Amino acid sequence: GAVVSQHPSRVICKSGTSVKIECRSLDFQATTMFWYRQFPKQSLMLMATSNEGSKATYEQGVEKDKFLINHASLTLSTLTVTSAHPEDSSFYICSAGGWWTEAFFGQGTRLTVV
Amino acid sequence: SQQGEEDPQALSIQEGENATMNCSYKTSINNLQWYRQNSGRGLVHLILIRSNEREKHSGRLRVTLDTSKKSSSLLITASRAADTASYFCATGDGAGGTSYGKLTFGQGTILTVHP
Repeated sequence: GAVVSQHPSRVICKSGTSVKIECRSLDFQATTMFWYRQFPKQSLMLMATSNEGSKATYEQGVEKDKFLINHASLTLSTLTVTSAHPEDSSFYICSAGGWWTEAFFGQGTRLTVV
Repeated sequence: SQQGEEDPQALSIQEGENATMNCSYKTSINNLQWYRQNSGRGLVHLILIRSNEREKHSGRLRVTLDTSKKSSSLLITASRAADTASYFCATGDGAGGTSYGKLTFGQGTILTVHP
């Protein structure tokens, strides 16, 4: 299947700082990517749909000013957690593809805010 | 909001036995997908079944879909210790191509296969 690379796999940051997570489609172009969040022992929740060249579409309850998404090219979407706080600690995972076929997920990023 | 409810929440079996996991959902769907997640890792896609399909097979995996009951099941036959993981169903309930990527996940079933 197609490959989606997510970086970094783990990050620890101080409260109040910002963290950027990258999601790349390595062998295909993705006009749409998706960002999910997973708290420990819970399921995945869709945060936003990232659209190449336009604004992201956020799910209800997700703060767009806190979770900045940029999809500047057909192979790269980034999620920036701004002014991170301990409650933002979670597993963030992106997916790409999924246009009339299954989406492919990255390896995920474990964010810990201390 | 979470649409899928999975049953059971946890399943413990011996190697060689079959494992069946069920998923129910609430709204109309375009497609339903099953994923596997090893502890703390990314998701591996297992099977996609479209709303006009009733059954699909892939190796030791068999998925059924009953849209009248809004439910799906995943059967893993002849399980192996390596099948130990969390299994999630995910529904694409929008219209159009993005419904395959914009997914609503169930709560998941934790499967443990003992050697």
